[in-house]
Amino acid sequence: DGGITQSPKYLFRKEGQNVTLSCEQNLNHDAMYWYRQDPGQGLRLIYYSQIVNDFQKGDIAEGYSVSREKKESFPLTVTSAQKNPTAFYLCASSIPQRFEAFFGQGTRLTVV
Amino acid sequence: AQSVAQPEDQVNVAEGNPLTVKCTYSVSGNPYLFWYVQYPNRGLQFLLKYITGDNLVKGSYGFEAEFNKSQTSFHLKKPSALVSDSALYFCAVSGAAGNKLTFGGGTRVLVKP
Repeated sequence: DGGITQSPKYLFRKEGQNVTLSCEQNLNHDAMYWYRQDPGQGLRLIYYSQIVNDFQKGDIAEGYSVSREKKESFPLTVTSAQKNPTAFYLCASSIPQRFEAFFGQGTRLTVV
Repeated sequence: AQSVAQPEDQVNVAEGNPLTVKCTYSVSGNPYLFWYVQYPNRGLQFLLKYITGDNLVKGSYGFEAEFNKSQTSFHLKKPSALVSDSALYFCAVSGAAGNKLTFGGGTRVLVKP
């Protein structure tokens, strides 16, 4: 099946730890995105990448880092510098010819 | 900068009645407009898009949306709502093909039997 896979579904982080969220797609899409969703709020763009080995900051990039070494993979690291990381994280991918983005099922990150 | 406004946090409608979820946008150039739906603890599912052409766009599950350039609106509609339509709905805009999407704050739809 083609699609976007995010793992893990639930993740718990201790204060001061870095954690990495996985996002893999087998849709052969060029562009990939990371969004953060907080209760009662819309989606806010963290980082996006339109091509391998290139990525740009979104609206709320502070405290996060990404890499794009392979077309199918776009992992997000939530660093200890992110003061309020508890949220639902969504990965998406798209190709310009289709316009719309396709989303993974999300990772819920909780700081304990 | 591009932006999307969904003025209603929640819309309540009786099953079988028409459903409308409002969206207005701001973007430079021609807009690319989208509606997504989200069920609890799940990712977003694509419903429909407006790229060019007919102002009335038909999408999945009986939903449609009307693009109004003069009012910069892209309201989502369904003629007869179902209880299973209860979910969180997001409107999104992009200013060019392949560019990043900007989302509205979401509207929760509650369809009562």
